[in-house]
Amino acid sequence: DTEVTQTPKHLVMGMTNKKSLKCEQHMGHRAMYWYKQKAKKPPELMFVYSYEKLSINESVPSRFSPECPNSSLLNLHLHALQPEDSALYLCASSPGQGAYEQYFGPGTRLTVT
Amino acid sequence: AQKVTQAQTEISVVEKEDVTLDCVYETRDTTYYLFWYKQPPSGELVFLIRRNSFDEQNEISGRYSWNFQKSTSSFNFTITASQVVDSAVYFCALSEAGNQFYFGTGTSLTVIP
Repeated sequence: DTEVTQTPKHLVMGMTNKKSLKCEQHMGHRAMYWYKQKAKKPPELMFVYSYEKLSINESVPSRFSPECPNSSLLNLHLHALQPEDSALYLCASSPGQGAYEQYFGPGTRLTVT
Repeated sequence: AQKVTQAQTEISVVEKEDVTLDCVYETRDTTYYLFWYKQPPSGELVFLIRRNSFDEQNEISGRYSWNFQKSTSSFNFTITASQVVDSAVYFCALSEAGNQFYFGTGTSLTVIP
């Protein structure tokens, strides 16, 4: 099973809302990732968790707040977003960090109004 | 400087033609990993191949083949007898041991029936 699941598939939120994106994997992977992807661009790394600890934070604004409750789950809490934050948010996991292939979820398409 | 260059932004081919997607990378590490991903219109990135820097053997998987040449820092991807289902954006990526992926800008392939 090489499946990473993400919910919701689509999300529309106002700039004052608080929402969360969820990601789950049951492959026993110890590294999990959040990426942001704008149209016609490659994914941009936001955060990396390794063994449930935040390993990389790519200078992401504080309105994005990651959380790793356990080794299978990864959340991204959203608060006071801007319209330019509208994008496809992708979650990925890998057996470890760096040298391994990452398996991606289907993404959450976020629109901020 | 761009670590992964995919010079071909868009390619169109007629079904059953062969097509090669170019990828040139830049690194000073002796240990590194190269990847190809496919992103169909649905949005999910699909892992295709991982190659480490010590293994220059070319690889074939069905209609897909990869040519890794350290001398030219290239890791090109060929699709033989292309099909409409091959239409997608293809990303080449580099991982320098222990750290994050560096994605290329992607090549959008359209296979015309």
